[in-house]
Amino acid sequence: KAGVTQTPRYLIKTRGQQVTLSCSPISGHRSVSWYQQTPGQGLQFLFEYFSETQRNKGNFPGRFSGRQFSNSRSEMNVSTLELGDSALYLCASSLGVSGASKNIQYFGAGTRLSVL
Amino acid sequence: AQTVTQSQPEMSVQEAETVTLSCTYDTSESDYYLFWYKQPPSRQMILVIRQEAYKQQNATENRFSVNFQKAAKSFSLKISDSQLGDAAMYFCAYRSAMATSNTGKLIFGQGTTLQVKP
Repeated sequence: KAGVTQTPRYLIKTRGQQVTLSCSPISGHRSVSWYQQTPGQGLQFLFEYFSETQRNKGNFPGRFSGRQFSNSRSEMNVSTLELGDSALYLCASSLGVSGASKNIQYFGAGTRLSVL
Repeated sequence: AQTVTQSQPEMSVQEAETVTLSCTYDTSESDYYLFWYKQPPSRQMILVIRQEAYKQQNATENRFSVNFQKAAKSFSLKISDSQLGDAAMYFCAYRSAMATSNTGKLIFGQGTTLQVKP
């Protein structure tokens, strides 16, 4: 079974631009969560999508948005990029069943975004 | 709000020795899960071990075991017979098990970088 796939692996953008990151979950997984990882703030939850609906959202500005398609693939978009958006963006997929003890999150290798 | 704290930014261990990584958390919930994830330089986050809060028995996965102290809100990871491949950053993480809560949200500690010396 293929793992979680994130594309692209690396991105370089300039301030003010927008960017779209993609995440393909493990087959059969309906939940996709996104995290931002920086040296200063560590790993922070961005949002979670389940069955094409945003189920949870972290404390990030509205410039960060996402969506999920009917095949469970998810995209994350950041508009009007700022220098502080430079980070490793990780996505994780899981079954998404509420309260299930086996609802483990499996992570992709991440997209490294550099904003110049 | 729940928080997770890892007070050891860096640890080192000699190959074949045992090392313990510390993690404390704060929550008012009674039902939750705790995890240890490993992130090697390749960046891929890998699940090492998980613990369900309602289970008193400490989880074990081969050379990895935890010491779960629910009353103290402590969740440490013990790595036995350390190997060079264990070198990585280790993250402790919390997830609510409440059916009406944030199922997909992991709350992470700041991480501990483990160095394994040959």
